[in-house]
Amino acid sequence: GQQLNQSPQSMFIQEGEDVSMNCTSSSIFNTWLWYKQDPGEGPVLLIALYKAGELTSNGRLTAQFGITRKDSFLNISASIPSDVGIYFCAGQSLTSGTYKYIFGTGTRLKVLA
Amino acid sequence: DADVTQTPRNRITKTGKRIMLECSQTKGHDRMYWYRQDPGLGLRLIYYSFDVKDINKGEISDGYSVSRQAQAKFSLSLESAIPNQTALYFCATSSFSGYTFGSGTRLTVV
Repeated sequence: GQQLNQSPQSMFIQEGEDVSMNCTSSSIFNTWLWYKQDPGEGPVLLIALYKAGELTSNGRLTAQFGITRKDSFLNISASIPSDVGIYFCAGQSLTSGTYKYIFGTGTRLKVLA
Repeated sequence: DADVTQTPRNRITKTGKRIMLECSQTKGHDRMYWYRQDPGLGLRLIYYSFDVKDINKGEISDGYSVSRQAQAKFSLSLESAIPNQTALYFCATSSFSGYTFGSGTRLTVV
């Protein structure tokens, strides 16, 4: 079945540093989504990508939909303490007109002040 | 009001007890899901429902059951809770545009 590999699994960074994380798949996706989960809360959508090659920003966050449609990355610039949390990617595939989402296993980010 | 509301937010229960976690949504979406999250692990799908008459098992359905009472309501039951069901549980809805998650229910089985 389809699998999503998300890396790194965890990161410890200093405040002000930039962060990069990515997801790769063995299959093609039509849509890539990036979510953030704050401690004790549910995941919240950060960025949605709908076209191969698309580069989209949301404040200090930038995400790209890979040209091969099998990968995506998320960058966070100038990290701040409130960036701490778990970041999930999710890929959407379409089969016979039915869509399905698969989630990555998450990247746990800790920001040291 | 939140788009996806889960109750209770926290629950401690004893081994062997039956417990129900409830979820309601105001998004008007047909699809609803129950996920489990354990420390250090990602989201694992327990059950999902694509409409009121459709119920499907996810990857870890053993020990759980669900009921889709209406388009807006999807409840998860643990018939006889056991300690390794201690986890954070999330309800979610989805449309073509993506998922909306509830704030989670933290369940502890002692």
